[in-house]
Amino acid sequence: AQSVTQLGSHVSVSEGALVLLRCNYSSSVPPYLFWYVQYPNQGLQLLLKYTTGATLVKGINGFEAEFKKSETSFHLTKPSAHMSDAAEYFCAVHPTQGGSEKLVFGKGTKLTVNP
Amino acid sequence: DSGVTQTPKHLITATGQRVTLRCSPRSGDLSVYWYQQSLDQGLQFLIQYYNGEERAKGNILERFSAQQFPDLHSELNLSSLELGDSALYFCASSVDGGASNEKLFFGSGTQLSVL
Repeated sequence: AQSVTQLGSHVSVSEGALVLLRCNYSSSVPPYLFWYVQYPNQGLQLLLKYTTGATLVKGINGFEAEFKKSETSFHLTKPSAHMSDAAEYFCAVHPTQGGSEKLVFGKGTKLTVNP
Repeated sequence: DSGVTQTPKHLITATGQRVTLRCSPRSGDLSVYWYQQSLDQGLQFLIQYYNGEERAKGNILERFSAQQFPDLHSELNLSSLELGDSALYFCASSVDGGASNEKLFFGSGTQLSVL
């Protein structure tokens, strides 16, 4: 079965600093990859996704992620953190081949942005 | 606003009781998903319906059941509730539900507290 590992359940950065949230997946065949964000008291919303093509994917709010097949990773980055980025971020995978397995989420990384 | 509506927002009940959570998908979306979010398990996929039929099943307990009605709204029924069922239950919808790269739209969730 597919699994997703997000390294670090909590990440704290200063406003204006680089944001790096790590995600690794386990699969011999690269799955489709997603990052979702959950703001306090809200549901999840899609930040970006990778399916095929260019491995660097740009999403909303200045975030981007790079798919690295050799490292089975899909880390999320933003050059300069803003206070409004404080939220919980979830990496998710969906297998590209067979089965009824649906979107599988990592356990999430809570991002704190300090003034 | 994702367009997915979940009611109620909060539910407090006692062990052994039965509750029903309701979800209205985005207009035009045929597929509804249910997820459970807890601190220890993270986001767990429970079940998916497409146009009234069950399409995929995840880690859903036998005490839980769901259905999707002709108007496409869905209900998740939780019975013989236990303390461990306390969690945030999310509903999500998508246009089709058959494509691996499809974007899900999440509701704001129902916070269930079992006392």
